[in-house]
Amino acid sequence: GIQVEQSPPDLILQEGANSTLRCNFSDSVNNLQWFHQNPWGQLINLFYIPSGTKQNGRLSATTVATERYSLLYISSSQTTDSGVYFCAVMDSGNTPLVFGKGTRLSVIA
Amino acid sequence: NAGVTQTPKFQVLKTGQSMTLQCAQDMNHNSMYWYRQDPGMGLRLIYYSASEGTTDKGEVPNGYNVSRLNKREFSLRLESAAPSQTSVYFCASSIREPPNTGELFFGEGSRLTVL
Repeated sequence: GIQVEQSPPDLILQEGANSTLRCNFSDSVNNLQWFHQNPWGQLINLFYIPSGTKQNGRLSATTVATERYSLLYISSSQTTDSGVYFCAVMDSGNTPLVFGKGTRLSVIA
Repeated sequence: NAGVTQTPKFQVLKTGQSMTLQCAQDMNHNSMYWYRQDPGMGLRLIYYSASEGTTDKGEVPNGYNVSRLNKREFSLRLESAAPSQTSVYFCASSIREPPNTGELFFGEGSRLTVL
């Protein structure tokens, strides 16, 4: 099945810094999503982005499907951005979403 | 709008006991899923139901059974709980009408401890 690798596994930032999280996948996809799991365990949709670029406030995401990667950008980070960021993909065979192991982000005031 | 609702949120079982995790969604979604989350492992799919009346195994189905009771409800049953099933369980749903595979929406999770 499709493989998903996220990097870096851990990231520590000072408040106000910018960061880029990466998701590589091993096959063509027709669905890619980014999620944020907050420190209370809730999983929140950030982006549904099988291709192209989207922005939502301080967060933006870009997926280059032909090169099999997606990037999540966080600008002017805040302590509330802390948590784990997951990338999940669905291949063209329509099997359910497969998750990467996540990037744990800690934003320090 | 409740979205995806899971019960119970916390449960402690003894080895060998059985229990059912309940999940309901009010978004008229076709597909429902059960994932488990363990430290350092991300989320792994246990079972899913692409549409009412169908269920399929995911990556880690052993020790579990599921029932898609109707379009809204999808339950996960542990017949004889084992300590290896200590985990956080998430139910999710998506609209999944081809070609729109749709966004996945999660419940708040159920923390299960098996002693």
